[in-house]
Amino acid sequence: AQSVAQPEDQVNVAEGNPLTVKCTYSVSGNPYLFWYVQYPNRGLQFLLKYITGDNLVKGSYGFEAEFNKSQTSFHLKKPSALVSDSALYFCAVRSNAGKSTFGDGTTLTVKP
Amino acid sequence: GAVVSQHPSWVICKSGTSVKIECRSLDFQATTMFWYRQFPKQSLMLMATSNEGSKATYEQGVEKDKFLINHASLTLSTLTVTSAHPEDSSFYICSATLPPGELFFGEGSRLTVL
Repeated sequence: AQSVAQPEDQVNVAEGNPLTVKCTYSVSGNPYLFWYVQYPNRGLQFLLKYITGDNLVKGSYGFEAEFNKSQTSFHLKKPSALVSDSALYFCAVRSNAGKSTFGDGTTLTVKP
Repeated sequence: GAVVSQHPSWVICKSGTSVKIECRSLDFQATTMFWYRQFPKQSLMLMATSNEGSKATYEQGVEKDKFLINHASLTLSTLTVTSAHPEDSSFYICSATLPPGELFFGEGSRLTVL
């Protein structure tokens, strides 16, 4: 069975500082990894994905994520956080059969 | 990117009534759609996989007679919450798969059962 762990319920950073939201995964076979962002009472918005290729993936709104196979991690990063980045972030892994499993989510709060 | 539309965004109903939520892929055909339920401050729980032209595949613990899913066309899947009760109040989100497998989500539907 596949699984995703987001060890931090909450991440707080000051505006302008770098941010990291952690994610580790477990899946059989090659991992398809995703990050999504959710604003209150809204659906999920796609940020970025790793399917194959370069371990550093660049996505929307200046976010990037680094795939680390040996550590089975896919941490989300951004060099300089904005207050508008405050939201709920989900990491997800998708199996070859197409079923996605989501982490429990991490609430990111960026303070001015 | 691809667009998935979900309707209604908000619905309030009385206990015992049925509510239908629609999920449409607006600019692509989706043979597979997924329905999720999200409780406050919790992750998404996959309820079922909706397959065009065939019966939905429900996750363990999800009552298929309670949550009726119909995927009659390549652009529309519906979730009907039958005989709704207050414990069915939740945020329901659909998603559709665009090959090679990227998920696109609807905006969600907030159901409140009085």
